[in-house]
Amino acid sequence: ETGVTQTPRHLVMGMTNKKSLKCEQHLGHNAMYWYKQSAKKPLELMFVYSLEERVENNSVPSRFSPECPNSSHLFLHLHTLQPEDSALYLCASSQEGIHNEQFFGPGTRLTVL
Amino acid sequence: GQNIDQPTEMTATEGAIVQINCTYQTSGFNGLFWYQQHAGEAPTFLSYNVLDGLEEKGRFSSFLSRSKGYSYLLLKELQMKDSASYLCAVYNNNDMRFGAGTRLTVKP
Repeated sequence: ETGVTQTPRHLVMGMTNKKSLKCEQHLGHNAMYWYKQSAKKPLELMFVYSLEERVENNSVPSRFSPECPNSSHLFLHLHTLQPEDSALYLCASSQEGIHNEQFFGPGTRLTVL
Repeated sequence: GQNIDQPTEMTATEGAIVQINCTYQTSGFNGLFWYQQHAGEAPTFLSYNVLDGLEEKGRFSSFLSRSKGYSYLLLKELQMKDSASYLCAVYNNNDMRFGAGTRLTVKP
């Protein structure tokens, strides 16, 4: 595997389900990010992890819970989501922080019924 | 408030030059990024400006004026594969704010 990978690529879930999105980067970077991309809206930064520590949380609802167990892996745990949470969730990584070029994964297309 | 504004759509002809503008009003500024995103794909990095002036990289150039809160991306010798969305993003501390993107269509 190369670059940034995300699983699953597509996910359909009900509002009462609990699911997790997984991201893995094979680039040796030390910062990772979660973004949300909704139709007709700008890309939104959700969470920033640097050296496995969360350094930014852009007022994201608590039904989204990130986890970064090591510098190569990032998870987004989902529970009791709303239909408006349906979107493309993108993971990205960079070296030494957000001021450097970010490499994005292909995203997980999430549909909440 | 914080605003990052770009035109929604642009059309240009293969072989031509196109300039995509971005204006911003943000609470802070450390740098400005341009990303390219083809339909159904992830964004890919194009350029990063910290200081005023022009940064050139092959067919693509990006300009920044911090005093005016203004940037543009210049694409030369347009090719059909340049049809994509172009995202302007302002970085401040640990935050990154994106514009809604400009969808560029290149026609033969």
